[in-house]
Amino acid sequence: AQKITQTQPGMFVQEKEAVTLDCTYDTSDQSYGLFWYKQPSSGEMIFLIYQGSYDEQNATEGRYSLNFQKARKSANLVISASQLGDSAMYFCAMREGSLGNQFYFGTGTSLTVIP
Amino acid sequence: GAVVSQHPSRVICKSGTSVKIECRSLDFQATTMFWYRQFPKQSLMLMATSNEGSKATYEQGVEKDKFLINHASLTLSTLTVTSAHPEDSSFYICSARDPRGSSYNEQFFGPGTRLTVL
Repeated sequence: AQKITQTQPGMFVQEKEAVTLDCTYDTSDQSYGLFWYKQPSSGEMIFLIYQGSYDEQNATEGRYSLNFQKARKSANLVISASQLGDSAMYFCAMREGSLGNQFYFGTGTSLTVIP
Repeated sequence: GAVVSQHPSRVICKSGTSVKIECRSLDFQATTMFWYRQFPKQSLMLMATSNEGSKATYEQGVEKDKFLINHASLTLSTLTVTSAHPEDSSFYICSARDPRGSSYNEQFFGPGTRLTVL
């Protein structure tokens, strides 16, 4: 089974609108971490936001927030007030265990912000 | 955040030659680094875990004799693609975990190396 599933290969959003990128995960560990990365066309992986499995509140970082629904094993990324510079690939990733090193990545969602 | 560099950023080589890619942690010591490969419009696939002072751990299906990894110091890991062929053309990304205290246990990624084998 896939550890991380991103079901939206491509998404479009109007500038200044909010958009939600979906991510579901599969793990039997109690302790794990969920990450979102942005990859622009240059290829670099830019860390956006993190949610720990024991965190009771949804993580927020500026315009990014993570809608963490533990029972549903989902960790959707919400981008508010989209900007043209937000156009990129977005990857959801999971680290299993508190000391685990391996990251599992989803297949990514290509986001295009329309002016 | 921590900084990881990669060199070169782009390389074009002839089939049959070997290519070395360097990954450096610039402001922290990394006992463990990771090498990923990303084909166009696909996700990152972990190739191997590079351990300082010991042999790398390769993922299933990755040829260790083809993709040589050397973690020579706490700040440098190298990936050598030996006898490269066109199917090895890909985007190679390294990452490292900064052990200095983030509770995230996040990985910091290098900017990637785009390899094209003619």
